[in-house]
Amino acid sequence: DTGVSQDPRHKITKRGQNVTFRCDPISEHNRLYWYRQTLGQGPEFLTYFQNEAQLEKSRLLSDRFSAERPKGSFSTLEIQRTEQGDSAMYLCASSFGDGPNEKLFFGSGTQLSVL
Amino acid sequence: AQSVAQPEDQVNVAEGNPLTVKCTYSVSGNPYLFWYVQYPNRGLQFLLKYITGDNLVKGSYGFEAEFNKSQTSFHLKKPSALVSDSALYFCAVRASGGSYIPTFGRGTSLIVHP
Repeated sequence: DTGVSQDPRHKITKRGQNVTFRCDPISEHNRLYWYRQTLGQGPEFLTYFQNEAQLEKSRLLSDRFSAERPKGSFSTLEIQRTEQGDSAMYLCASSFGDGPNEKLFFGSGTQLSVL
Repeated sequence: AQSVAQPEDQVNVAEGNPLTVKCTYSVSGNPYLFWYVQYPNRGLQFLLKYITGDNLVKGSYGFEAEFNKSQTSFHLKKPSALVSDSALYFCAVRASGGSYIPTFGRGTSLIVHP
């Protein structure tokens, strides 16, 4: 169990550029989540996968955001035409099981700064 | 809709004293409740959860939480605080019959003074 990995750890980009983040969940975990966190706030839900299927997407999520999880393994989150308001920590989490076994394992996040 | 309120942005406590970090929730049906901790420059880590059964739940690092259905609360507690407990604490909730997506509170910064 190597934990949830996110790449890159930091990304600085100029407004209008596209960025892509990668998340490698714990290998046997079938559920994968993307959250966004800004300073002084808790994690805000963005989108959720069960295996390769994207089952839920936040209504707050702009059309500029897209996520994939091909083959139910790693996931990518792409932001097109970045805006300064997109600056945040992007968190990936994975989980497996229900009830007593249910808990999220988080990666260390990707810190995005849009200049 | 499901939501969590953490009414205190910051809690200060002296080392060795008991600590409480408050959380109230709103959810349709029965709740699954969680506490996570975020240490500086580290990812969020699971502390404990309430699913069903005993209202007092014990978790990692000596923390416990008490589920109170009538007050819709799930306060985090520890009998004797350590300086190393200083961190951000997040409460989360999801409906037991709903999707597997927890909603998080805004977090409470716990500062334990030596």
